[in-house]
Formats: sequence, C-alpha cells, structure tokens
Amino acid sequence: GENVEQHPSTLSVQEGDSAVIKCTYSDSASNYFPWYKQELGKRPQLIIDIRSNVGEKKDQRIAVTLNKTAKHFSLHITETQPEDSAVYFCAAYFFTGFQKLVFGTGTRLLVSP
Amino acid sequence: DAGVIQSPRHEVTEMGQEVTLRCKPISGHNSLFWYRQTMMRGLELLIYFNNNVPIDDSGMPEDRFSAKMPNASFSTLKIQPSEPRDSAVYFCASRSPGGPDTEAFFGQGTRLTVV
Repeated sequence: GENVEQHPSTLSVQEGDSAVIKCTYSDSASNYFPWYKQELGKRPQLIIDIRSNVGEKKDQRIAVTLNKTAKHFSLHITETQPEDSAVYFCAAYFFTGFQKLVFGTGTRLLVSP
Repeated sequence: DAGVIQSPRHEVTEMGQEVTLRCKPISGHNSLFWYRQTMMRGLELLIYFNNNVPIDDSGMPEDRFSAKMPNASFSTLKIQPSEPRDSAVYFCASRSPGGPDTEAFFGQGTRLTVV
C-alpha cells in the first residue's frame, strides 16, 4: 500500500548544529515530495518541496535531497535556531487515478539555546 | 481568501454522542482531504475527495466514521457514536487543480475530546 516512513521520531540538537530528517516511500511512481512544519498548537504549513526531476533543492538554511532509485528523501536544516523547534512531516503523493497525499509520522525537533 | 476554515475549533462530547466536524475549502480548490492527528500515529489520511466525489476512504477507521461533500464549498466528517479513542485533532486540507505539485493548505483543525 501507500506508505511513507520517517525517522527519527524525535531529534534534539544544540543551536547552530545541523539537523537531518529522513523519509522513505513505497511507490516508485511518486514524483512530488513536500515537507511541512507544524508549530505547537498550529496547523501544518509547507516549508519546502521537491519534484522528481531534481535531486536537491535549497532555500536559505533548509535543503531537501531526493534519491528516486532508493526511494529516499531527506530534509536538512543548517545553523539551527530555537524557532526551528517544531514537528516536521514529510509527505508523498501517490497516484491512484487521483493524487493521494500521505504523510510520514513526524519528527519532533528540539533546538536548545 | 481566508484559507481553509474548520469548525468548531474545539469539541468536547460524551461517549456515544454524535459529532460533526465541518470544513470549508479554499474557493477554487477541487481536492479535499480529512486527516486525524495523534501523538502515536501522526497525520493519518482518513478520506479524500476530488470534485466533491469521495475517491479513497480506506483510511476511515470503522463504520462509525462517515464523510460527505455535498458541494465544492463544504464538507463534513461525522462520528456516530463517538468513543474516547476518537479523541484527536482532525484537520481538513484542500488543494487546487493543476499539476501534481500544487500545495495542500490546512485548516486550523478541530480538537475533539470524547469523555
């Protein structure tokens, strides 16, 4: 079935360190992979996405990489700041005639000053 | 546009009661998703609609759950009868037509507590 696995479930880093979150997906036909950030008590919001025709995309301190052969994609946050503390979700679209958006189980990132 | 609007924001109900959650997608969006969020299972997809038609409800946990989308601007998720294990935050998200890389926007969510 359609599945997205995400690791780790929790991640604690010191301010200024890098953080990496990894995901795998089950359907090789998937070609769009968004990442959402959810702050405490708020809705998930898109922070970056990647399409299967590229291997890496950067936006300031955030980067995503995609390995379609291995069906892996990752989120990299450099120079972490306390305001980066949140739950991060990876997701993939699965094509079952229509585009089904399935999320990973989330990573709780804590950045300590 | 005000974004995806969900109501109520919070709902506390007694076990056995019927609960109805409501969602108004962004105007012009033709895909609508209902998710349930818990600490243990993250964001679970319950059901999604395309052009008001339910496409995949395989995530609906059991027959106590039902969802409808009578028109392009309104959807409901109903739980009857409710149970304490249904306590969670329920999110609705909508997405515009177009390619496979259009963003899904979430509502504020409904925090449901069944006692």
